[in-house]
Amino acid sequence: QKEVEQNSGPLSVPEGAIASLNCTYSDRGSQSFFWYRQYSGKSPELIMSIYSNGDKEDGRFTAQLNKASQYVSLLIRDSQPSDSATYLCAVSYNQGGKLIFGQGTELSVKP
Amino acid sequence: EPEVTQTPSHQVTQMGQEVILRCVPISNHLYFYWYRQILGQKVEFLVSFYNNEISEKSEIFDDQFSVERPDGSNFTLKIRSTKLEDSAMYFCASSGLKDEQFFGPGTRLTVL
Repeated sequence: QKEVEQNSGPLSVPEGAIASLNCTYSDRGSQSFFWYRQYSGKSPELIMSIYSNGDKEDGRFTAQLNKASQYVSLLIRDSQPSDSATYLCAVSYNQGGKLIFGQGTELSVKP
Repeated sequence: EPEVTQTPSHQVTQMGQEVILRCVPISNHLYFYWYRQILGQKVEFLVSFYNNEISEKSEIFDDQFSVERPDGSNFTLKIRSTKLEDSAMYFCASSGLKDEQFFGPGTRLTVL
């Protein structure tokens, strides 16, 4: 059974701080890794994709991938109250393949 | 910016009735998916569709479910005889060559 694990939180950080979200996956065959943001009652919104070991930065977001440790993380710099949402980690195994989601980490950014 | 659209946004139905959920994927995308999310639970994969046929389906996607791409733009999910446990948010997604899946706004299905 392929699993994706996240701490459910809630993770609470003050405005302006760095939020660090973590995810582990069970299958070494995983090829592609994604972070989605989901506001309550809304659909998942893609914020980052990462395919190779190392860091990938996009604005205030940095995704980190370590395939040897089967670990993916998302850093959000200068956190804003509008970043308060559930962050979903997802992995896939091939192009056009299904996404396997973690249960999500709820982030709360306090003004 | 292109986006995935879904209709209706909310569907209420009686147990045992058939429902059809509709999706218009992003126009140049090749892969199409349906997922569902029961309230408070993970997003779960149902089925993927490529080149006019199902490429993968989950255990949830039993004989009560079917998918169709009736024309060049629409992608539908049919549930033949709804059960109470089918109540969930249903998300359509699509992806192109870049393998990033973009989700529609979802259809909230309520089975009474």
